[in-house]
Amino acid sequence: TQLLEQSPQFLSIQEGENLTVYCNSSSVFSSLQWYRQEPGEGPVLLVTVVTGGEVKKLKRLTFQFGDARKDSSLHITAAQPGDTGLYLCAGGSTGSARQLTFGSGTQLTVLP
Amino acid sequence: NAGVTQTPKFQVLKTGQSMTLQCAQDMNHEYMSWYRQDPGMGLRLIHYSVGAGITDQGEVPNGYNVSRSTTEDFPLRLLSAAPSQTSVYFCASSYGFAGSPLHFGNGTRLTVT
Repeated sequence: TQLLEQSPQFLSIQEGENLTVYCNSSSVFSSLQWYRQEPGEGPVLLVTVVTGGEVKKLKRLTFQFGDARKDSSLHITAAQPGDTGLYLCAGGSTGSARQLTFGSGTQLTVLP
Repeated sequence: NAGVTQTPKFQVLKTGQSMTLQCAQDMNHEYMSWYRQDPGMGLRLIHYSVGAGITDQGEVPNGYNVSRSTTEDFPLRLLSAAPSQTSVYFCASSYGFAGSPLHFGNGTRLTVT
């Protein structure tokens, strides 16, 4: 069974601070997705990374896929209250690409 | 542009009762799936389907049944509800190719007393 561990589980910061969320596994994934979930709603895809070492930017969010495709990070610069939510990473595997393994999530609260 | 629609939004059951959670998508996605979300445990796959007439078990299938008679619909049946099935249930769909994003419904919050 492939496992994805996310850290930290909870993060509460002040508006304007920077933060990094980590997603780690001992397994290799063919792709890694990041989702954000707000209360009462389903997760919404932020980004997909597929190449080892790949870096993608989405405004103030920077996503990186590890060289060995076993880990990923999400860095937020100058966090805003609108960034508050549950961030989930999900790994996909070749041969079982339609199934995703989800991490346990990082609950981010950005205080004004 | 409805996307993935789940009903009901909330449900309370007594132990032993059965019910069906409905899920419909209008994006012509081949792949559909059901997850449950519990605090601190992320999303766990219950059942999934890669097309009409084809279903398979995920990580936590016990106590749940599914069927896929059409591309659009993928209902989840609880056969005999137990308190351990208290959770938030999400239906999701995608085109099914590697790396394709999952589109989620807004969930059904189920409480079993």
